[in-house]
Amino acid sequence: EVQLLESGGGLVQPGGSLRLSCAASGFTFNNYIMNWVRQAPGKGLEWVSGTSGSGMSTFYAGSVKGRFTISRDNSKNTLYLHMNSLRAEDTALYYCAKDRLNGEAPYSFDYWGQGTLVTVSS
Amino acid sequence: QSVLTQPPSVSGAPGQRVTISCTGSSSNIGAGYDVHWYQQLPGTAPKSLIYANNNRPSGVPDRFSGSKSGTSASLAITGLQAEDEAHYYCQSYDSKLGGLAVFGGGTKLTVL
Repeated sequence: EVQLLESGGGLVQPGGSLRLSCAASGFTFNNYIMNWVRQAPGKGLEWVSGTSGSGMSTFYAGSVKGRFTISRDNSKNTLYLHMNSLRAEDTALYYCAKDRLNGEAPYSFDYWGQGTLVTVSS
Repeated sequence: QSVLTQPPSVSGAPGQRVTISCTGSSSNIGAGYDVHWYQQLPGTAPKSLIYANNNRPSGVPDRFSGSKSGTSASLAITGLQAEDEAHYYCQSYDSKLGGLAVFGGGTKLTVL
């Protein structure tokens, strides 16, 4: 059974940093693109970032490019999101999502974690 | 403003058929990229409902179906049930805008 467990969320001041983690199990982790998708309170879904199975390729939404860094440790089956220069508009529930493929770019998300909440406020 | 446009809400009575549209442009759906649909029940994480335009993951009832034509896609739900009340999101790939994977704004389905 595929399981994705996010952690690392919390309250952070504007301009601060945070690192999210996603522990994966139940599938061959390095065979798939992994993604972060966020959902602001009461709002829709926004894809944030993805990384190829090897971790060599990374992809970012324009809204976070230059501030967020995605990485993965395939030996630990863990995905990370390093978030810097956080803004109020980054406040959201951050989901880890497994891609259906390991193609050239994020494609479709077949499994999702339960999310970890990030609140950016002074 | 979402790259893919969905109606904010739709409704239907139990047993009826409803459709949810997802309108894109020449840089996403119109360029031939696949469309995927997700269901988000209240207070839960999204769940894959339809992938690659018209394919259902294992366990998804055949009451749910997807289609795509030109710059738009649609999700159809037949035999509407109370447990179908949820938010539905379409998603595709965009070759031009700031995001690669793009979502619609979501549609709230109310079962009357």
